[in-house]
Amino acid sequence: GQSLEQPSEVTAVEGAIVQINCTYQTSGFYGLSWYQQHDGGAPTFLSYNALDGLEETGRFSSFLSRSDSYGYLLLQELQMKDSASYFCAVRDLSTGGFKTIFGAGTRLFVKA
Amino acid sequence: SAVISQKPSRDICQRGTSLTIQCQVDSQVTMMFWYRQQPGQSLTLIATANQGSEATYESGFVIDKFPISRPNLTFSTLTVSNMSPEDSSIYLCSVEDSGFYGYTFGSGTRLTVV
Repeated sequence: GQSLEQPSEVTAVEGAIVQINCTYQTSGFYGLSWYQQHDGGAPTFLSYNALDGLEETGRFSSFLSRSDSYGYLLLQELQMKDSASYFCAVRDLSTGGFKTIFGAGTRLFVKA
Repeated sequence: SAVISQKPSRDICQRGTSLTIQCQVDSQVTMMFWYRQQPGQSLTLIATANQGSEATYESGFVIDKFPISRPNLTFSTLTVSNMSPEDSSIYLCSVEDSGFYGYTFGSGTRLTVV
């Protein structure tokens, strides 16, 4: 089966940098992605890492180490609007084809 | 990226009844995915819907309870059958965007069973 672990919540101040870690266990790993979800909204895609290393997209960066089954999402220059839940998710190739399994989510609180 | 229209956005239903949720995608996609999310919780994959074949259900979900239709490459429905209060949740459809291996989600259906 598959499993993902990420912290349940993180608090940071506006303008700071925060890192949300994710460890995973899966047999058919194809990539790690991150999603943001505001209260009452649908998840929105942030980033995808298939290979080791850092991917940067504006204020958000995502890192993957396949040998450690570990990744993180880095948010820089935090803004109040970044307060949301962040989910890591593994893209897994199983007998039925590709599917994506989500972690439990990290609730980020950004304080002024 | 794909745009998904999901409806209804919310509904309050009596126990024992059924509700059908529809998702329309603005482009042709091979697979569509149905998730369930309790408020404040993670997303749980219910099933994968391929056009022209039966849906593939995850452990804990069965076709009799959650029948899925996929009549063409742009449309799918999920029915929640013989509902109980435990079925109260948010149901989301999604597709994988070929451009970035990420998922685009519908806006969700908030279901309350009373």
